[in-house]
Amino acid sequence: EAGVAQSPRYKIIEKRQSVAFWCNPISGHATLYWYQQILGQGPKLLIQFQNNGVVDDSQLPKDRFSAERLKGVDSTLKIQPAKLEDSAVYLCASSQLRQGVFYGYTFGSGTRLTVV
Amino acid sequence: AQRVTQPEKLLSVFKGAPVELKCNYSYSGSPELFWYVQYSRQRLQLLLRHISRESIKGFTADLNKGETSFHLKKPFAQEEDSAMYYCALSKMGRRALTFGSGTRLQVQP
Repeated sequence: EAGVAQSPRYKIIEKRQSVAFWCNPISGHATLYWYQQILGQGPKLLIQFQNNGVVDDSQLPKDRFSAERLKGVDSTLKIQPAKLEDSAVYLCASSQLRQGVFYGYTFGSGTRLTVV
Repeated sequence: AQRVTQPEKLLSVFKGAPVELKCNYSYSGSPELFWYVQYSRQRLQLLLRHISRESIKGFTADLNKGETSFHLKKPFAQEEDSAMYYCALSKMGRRALTFGSGTRLQVQP
């Protein structure tokens, strides 16, 4: 099966600019996640979608971050305006249940954002 | 709130030596525990989960609810085991993961 696709791979922007990341999950995976991984730390959940509805966005800084998953497939994550502390790798992942059992995620390769 | 602690940032061993990567968690309910691995220039991928009670690439991990630990073990390390290892927790029945900060395993020849 094809993996989780993310683009771009790298992005460098100046602070206060805006940026958007795109994710295409594995076909048929109903659940999609965005994680932020700051250098030296483990990934931190930003938002979780079930189909096109938001399940958990409690850790999303909503004053500057937004995400959508139109039609329950692709998703975009936007930052506007960016701050220096947003420099991180943004990971997209998707998951599904098989016969009612959760087997964990499939991660994309991530987008490395540098804010200067 | 749940928390995952991996006390070692770096663990260096020689090939053939035993390996134990430590993971401790705090969570009041019944957790699901996972180990994820990231090899150089590859994506983060699932290594094993406690519910499966399986051995993957010679690695095993036992959930100790009394000590709230889920340490990853391998009796004889191989050079290809060198990677970044993350312990993660999810609430039973939920999918969102809380990750530890990771341990880099270096297996020297």
